[in-house]
Amino acid sequence: NAGVTQTPKFQVLKTGQSMTLQCAQDMNHEYMSWYRQDPGMGLRLIHYSVGAGITDQGEVPNGYNVSRSTTEDFPLRLLSAAPSQTSVYFCASTEDNRGVDTQYFGPGTRLTVL
Amino acid sequence: SQKIEQNSEALNIQEGKTATLTCNYTNYSPAYLQWYRQDPGRGPVFLLLIRENEKEKRKERLKVTFDTTLKQSLFHITASQPADSATYLCARDTGRRALTFGSGTRLQVQP
Repeated sequence: NAGVTQTPKFQVLKTGQSMTLQCAQDMNHEYMSWYRQDPGMGLRLIHYSVGAGITDQGEVPNGYNVSRSTTEDFPLRLLSAAPSQTSVYFCASTEDNRGVDTQYFGPGTRLTVL
Repeated sequence: SQKIEQNSEALNIQEGKTATLTCNYTNYSPAYLQWYRQDPGRGPVFLLLIRENEKEKRKERLKVTFDTTLKQSLFHITASQPADSATYLCARDTGRRALTFGSGTRLQVQP
């Protein structure tokens, strides 16, 4: 199993550009999430999904869109990049074990917006 | 909102000593708390979880406690090694299918 994979590893964008961060998992988990991590602020939830076709907003959803057409894939779209979106982005796949959600994280995408 | 606070940004200890990291939560008691390890440039990795009705959990050199009166979890690494140097994150359930994370404590174990 590859677990959770993310592409690209690094990306530099100019303000106003759009792009999609890719995330895939091969563990057949229903739940997936996107987080951003900034120095001193920990991981903050952007969007999450409880199954194909179902998504919801997290703590910091503005400027981001998600969709979930398959169980495996959960892409994150930046509509019009801003310098405030410079961050490290982590995708997570969640295993439900007797009501406990344990998260498996991808390696992250380091995004810089100029 | 449910918050998680990890009070120490960094902790330096000598090899062989016990490292103790603190996680405090606000508002209602979580159904469980989890601890993750994160190495530089990598995603967090799950280590241990403790449920609300458990006082203590152990796994090898790791021990986690959960005190609902103090609203606190303590994470201990006994006989610490330089390889234990990393950032450790505490997380709680939110009632949705995602977690709320603390900002982490960076542990440095000196040889």
